[in-house]
Amino acid sequence: QVQLQQWGPGLLKPSETLSLTCGVFDGSLSGYFWTWIRQPPGKGLEWIGEVNYSGSTHYNPSLDSHITISIDTSKNHFSLNLTSVTAADTAVYYCARGRYGSGLSPWGQGILVTVSS
Amino acid sequence: DIQMTQSPSSLSASVGDRVTITCRASQSISIYLNWYQQKPGKPPKLLIEAVSNLQSGVPSRFSGSGSATDFTLTINSLQPEDFATYYCHQSYITPPVFGQGTKVEI
Repeated sequence: QVQLQQWGPGLLKPSETLSLTCGVFDGSLSGYFWTWIRQPPGKGLEWIGEVNYSGSTHYNPSLDSHITISIDTSKNHFSLNLTSVTAADTAVYYCARGRYGSGLSPWGQGILVTVSS
Repeated sequence: DIQMTQSPSSLSASVGDRVTITCRASQSISIYLNWYQQKPGKPPKLLIEAVSNLQSGVPSRFSGSGSATDFTLTINSLQPEDFATYYCHQSYITPPVFGQGTKVEI
């Protein structure tokens, strides 16, 4: 059964770049969209963007200028870069697997990223 | 963007109750409506996909219905492990959008 495991720093200063990676274990990257979602403390879920096996991406227009999502098929993982972070980017960041028109499952364990000076 | 409006934002219920959560889309999303359950400190778990398709392992007391813009998640005979926050999610058009969540409390 496919599992997603995330890693990356949990504390950033304003203006730094957030970089997270999501490893896909016991499953293939092919045929799916690989997605990043975030959840500010005590709040709801916000879709950040997605990448497919061929590297095609879609981003949330509200974050588009700051986001890069990439995929490394040789390492079976995908990554999120969010530039110029501010305190408003403080959130738990999740990765998840989806298909066109489908729900998202499974999800990674989540990483709390705090942006503070 | 499509807006997803859930109601209520929270509710209090007892074990054994029947609970209904609604989700309304700002435009038709056909059958591309999914439901998640989230417990504190955990990632969301997909319960129902495409309006009414229960995921493997999800108890049959959970059910979904609706079409186009109006959807419902029903929990029959609420169990202690069902106290959580529930989110709807449209996967019809990019960007996918989640409802704001419904917290089911004791």
